[in-house]
Amino acid sequence: DGGITQSPKYLFRKEGQNVTLSCEQNLNHDAMYWYRQDPGQGLRLIYYSQIVNDFQKGDIAEGYSVSREKKESFPLTVTSAQKNPTAFYLCASSRAGGPGAFGSGTRLTVV
Amino acid sequence: QQQVKQSPQSLIVQKGGISIINCAYENTAFDYFPWYQQFPGKGPALLIAIRPDVSEKKEGRFTISFNKSAKQFSLHIMDSQPGDSATYFCAASMDTGRRALTFGSGTRLQVQP
Repeated sequence: DGGITQSPKYLFRKEGQNVTLSCEQNLNHDAMYWYRQDPGQGLRLIYYSQIVNDFQKGDIAEGYSVSREKKESFPLTVTSAQKNPTAFYLCASSRAGGPGAFGSGTRLTVV
Repeated sequence: QQQVKQSPQSLIVQKGGISIINCAYENTAFDYFPWYQQFPGKGPALLIAIRPDVSEKKEGRFTISFNKSAKQFSLHIMDSQPGDSATYFCAASMDTGRRALTFGSGTRLQVQP
């Protein structure tokens, strides 16, 4: 089955720690995206990549980093510089001009 | 310019009724307007989408109405069912430049039996 796989489903981070969220897609989509969702709010764009080895900052990129070494993979690192990282993180992918498909999300909690 | 405003924040509808959710945008470069449905703990799923060259699109019980001059679009859910209870997001994007979706703030729909 084609789709987007995010892992882990739940993640706990200690203060000052970097954590990496995984996103893999087998839809052969060129573009991939990371969104953050806070309770009762819409999705806000963190980073996006329209092609391998290239990515751009979204609206709330501070404290996050990404890489796009393979078409299928777009991992997101939440660094210690992100002061309020507790949120639901969603990865998406799309063809050029096509609809976005979303993964099932990773819930990150700071402990 | 990137903002998409969505209303209402929450909506309660009786089974069999019509649910209506509205969105407005500012950026005239937007040319793709999807609606997503999200259940708790899950990622959003594409429901229906429209481009500005048509004023209405219908898929089953779901209809998008699009008013290009007013820069507004809305989702109508006919014969609403308890299984439709979810959060709905409108979104907008461009085919060129930044193609990422810009989302509205969401509407929590509750359909009462």
